[in-house]
Amino acid sequence: GESVGLHLPTLSVQEGDNSIINCAYSNSASDYFIWYKQESGKGPQFIIDIRSNMDKRQGQRVTVLLNKTVKHLSLQIAATQPGDSAVYFCAETLRGGKLIFGQGTELSVKP
Amino acid sequence: EAGVAQSPRYKIIEKRQSVAFWCNPISGHATLYWYQQILGQGPKLLIQFQNNGVVDDSQLPKDRFSAERLKGVDSTLKIQPAKLEDSAVYLCASTGGRGRGPRVGAFFGQGTRLTVV
Repeated sequence: GESVGLHLPTLSVQEGDNSIINCAYSNSASDYFIWYKQESGKGPQFIIDIRSNMDKRQGQRVTVLLNKTVKHLSLQIAATQPGDSAVYFCAETLRGGKLIFGQGTELSVKP
Repeated sequence: EAGVAQSPRYKIIEKRQSVAFWCNPISGHATLYWYQQILGQGPKLLIQFQNNGVVDDSQLPKDRFSAERLKGVDSTLKIQPAKLEDSAVYLCASTGGRGRGPRVGAFFGQGTRLTVV
């Protein structure tokens, strides 16, 4: 079946620390992966993406790592800030553009 | 640039009633998606349109859910009759990608929160 994500998730970090959010995906044919941030009462917001022919991509304060061997994706947030508190979803794109979301991880940043 | 517009923001109905949601995507975006997000879960794709054609509706409960995008712009999602388990946030998203899924610049609306009582 199709599934993305881990069953958990709450991550609590201290402001200024680095955060690492993990995700497992199941479809080997997926060739495009995205991390989304969702704040309460809002729709998901694109953070960063990565194609399957890459293993790392960096953005502003965020880095996504892709390990296709074990079908694992991670999002690293540097110097986490209170404004980073939200639920983070990984998602994979299947052929034809179908986007599957995982269950999400709630990130809580303590001041 | 205007974002994806959805209405209404909230809706409360009794079970067995019908309800409709409306979405206006980003101007020029050919691909439009409807997702259902149950509290505590990730969004689940219900239907994907490319212009006014359906690309994927494999997870749409067609006995009660229907969606259309007649002119390839606005879209409506309808539930008739509603069940208690339909309580969720219904999200609309659009992208200018050519059927490759939400990509950089993919935008989601704020969603419609449906409560079925």
